[in-house]
Amino acid sequence: NAGVTQTPKFRILKIGQSMTLQCAQDMNHNYMYWYRQDPGMGLKLIYYSVGAGITDKGEVPNGYNVSRSTTEDFPLRLELAAPSQTSVYFCASSWGQGVTDTQYFGPGTRLTVL
Amino acid sequence: QQQVKQSPQSLIVQKGGISIINCAYENTAFDYFPWYQQFPGKGPALLIAIRPDVSEKKEGRFTISFNKSAKQFSLHIMDSQPGDSATYFCAAIPNDYKLSFGAGTTVTVRA
Repeated sequence: NAGVTQTPKFRILKIGQSMTLQCAQDMNHNYMYWYRQDPGMGLKLIYYSVGAGITDKGEVPNGYNVSRSTTEDFPLRLELAAPSQTSVYFCASSWGQGVTDTQYFGPGTRLTVL
Repeated sequence: QQQVKQSPQSLIVQKGGISIINCAYENTAFDYFPWYQQFPGKGPALLIAIRPDVSEKKEGRFTISFNKSAKQFSLHIMDSQPGDSATYFCAAIPNDYKLSFGAGTTVTVRA
């Protein structure tokens, strides 16, 4: 199993450009998450999904959109990139959403907006 | 607003020493307290976790101590090894199942 995979690993965007961060998992997990990690701030939840076709906002959703058309894929869309979106983005998945359901993280995408 | 406060931001320990990371929380609705370990260039990975009805949990050289009345919990890394050099995040999960992470502690173990 590849686990959770993310592409690209690195990306530099200009202000106002758009892009999609890709995330895929091969563990047949129902739940998927997007986090951003800023220095000294821990990880903050952007969006999450409880299954194909169902998504919901996390703590910091502004400036982002998601979709979940399949169990495996959960892309994150940035429509008008801003310098405040410079961060490392992690996708994660879990079987369930119970407190003991482990979230498995991908390797991250480092995004710089100039 | 950080729901889980973590300290210190970084620490350096000699090989064989003990690393101690502390976390505190306010929300009494938290039901589970995991710790994640993150190596440079990698995503976080679950290290060890504890429920609030347990005061201590040990897995190998890693121990969580939990003080429910003080709303504090800590990670102890015994006999620290260079391979333990990483960033450690405490986290808390409330009944809506959304993880709240601490800011992270970078541990450097000197050989």
